[in-house]
Amino acid sequence: SYVLTQPPSVSVAPGQTATITCGGDYIGNKNVHWYQQKPGQAPVLVVYDDRDRSSGIPERFSGSNSGNTATLTISSVEAGDEADYYCQVWDTSSDHYVFGTGTSVTVL
Amino acid sequence: QVQLVESGGGVVQPGGSLRLSCAASGFTFSSYSMHWVRQAPGKGLEWVAAVSYDGINKYHGDSVKGRFTISRDSSKNTLYLQMNSLRPEDTAMYYCAKERIRAVTGTYGMDVWGQGTTVTVSS
Repeated sequence: SYVLTQPPSVSVAPGQTATITCGGDYIGNKNVHWYQQKPGQAPVLVVYDDRDRSSGIPERFSGSNSGNTATLTISSVEAGDEADYYCQVWDTSSDHYVFGTGTSVTVL
Repeated sequence: QVQLVESGGGVVQPGGSLRLSCAASGFTFSSYSMHWVRQAPGKGLEWVAAVSYDGINKYHGDSVKGRFTISRDSSKNTLYLQMNSLRPEDTAMYYCAKERIRAVTGTYGMDVWGQGTTVTVSS
């Protein structure tokens, strides 16, 4: 089955840039989506199709995807960005959605 | 507004059954594929199952295949998950979610999520 690997945690100071990676075999050939989940809440789609922001998501959130790594970048990080972030793809070989292992972003 | 509301969760003994429901409103339910996603306590997201917009095609994750069945009733704007032969490892928050693009299943992400319903499998 297809596996997506994320770093367990990322720490960043307010105003700095957080970079969250999502590794998978030839992930550059797939559409990658990113979800933000705050404690006790349902996930929220923040970036879809590699780099498009969902409605209401600040421009500080951006995405890219190439080769074996997709990346979610949060610039000028704010305290409210503290959350878990998950990448996701559709695995056409199994007709399954696959989620990454998740990354906890801590704002110092 | 677009909304998904799950129900049907609860406490069940191992080997038991439960049926979850997800009531949809604010969009044309029959035009969108739908999904169930679960999250065990303190763990990450796990995709469980999907059903195509027309109810014809159904997909189930490996960990639930043969035990869980996804279905939909577009006359009632409701998504279901029939869960049989439940195991302790099925304990989780279960979310329903809407496919972002109409008339496709998979590839394009999930843009609307419910608040979830909790399932606990324990003796």
